[in-house]
Amino acid sequence: GAVVSQHPSRVICKSGTSVKIECRSLDFQATTMFWYRQFPKQSLMLMATSNEGSKATYEQGVEKDKFLINHASLTLSTLTVTSAHPEDSSFYICSAIQGPTSKQYFGPGTRLTVT
Amino acid sequence: QQPVQSPQAVILREGEDAVINCSSSKALYSVHWYRQKHGEAPVFLMILLKGGEQKGHEKISASFNEKKQQSSLYLTASQLSYSGTYFCGTVTGGGADGLTFGKGTHLIIQP
Repeated sequence: GAVVSQHPSRVICKSGTSVKIECRSLDFQATTMFWYRQFPKQSLMLMATSNEGSKATYEQGVEKDKFLINHASLTLSTLTVTSAHPEDSSFYICSAIQGPTSKQYFGPGTRLTVT
Repeated sequence: QQPVQSPQAVILREGEDAVINCSSSKALYSVHWYRQKHGEAPVFLMILLKGGEQKGHEKISASFNEKKQQSSLYLTASQLSYSGTYFCGTVTGGGADGLTFGKGTHLIIQP
């Protein structure tokens, strides 16, 4: 099956710094990648949709200047949390699809802790 | 709009059956089911694309009633490994949209 990786798996940073999370599709070209966030004991919430070579589409309430998404190739999307604050601490998960009717392949997630 | 899942939680003994429901107020393009264990990413179970479609994988199957905008996940003869939180994710606009997840159903299987 298709594999999606994320790096790092866990990161701790100080308040005010920026953190970059990478999402890679290892054995397929992803037409679209998605970024989700999950707070403890809550469901996954879609943050943004990322297509290679174009600007990401952000969900309502998600600050595009704070969560920078770059989709440089068909196998790599990055999420940068800028000027992170403790309330940004969460589990960030990416997913990728091969085509419009494909299932979403989820990465293993990145746990961000901002101190 | 977030789909509504029911029940919120269920406790079963090993070998018992469970049904988890997912309903939407919007017309659905597809329904995706995932299981998540604590601290891990969701694991894909199945995707349903057409109205009235039913799929199965070993002892886990699902149905999708497009007209009622509902989907149900059936777990038969549950095993200890089935424990976790089950999420349905819905796509309303089109196939390349992100998933809107329900709040999840916590399933605990006891020996």
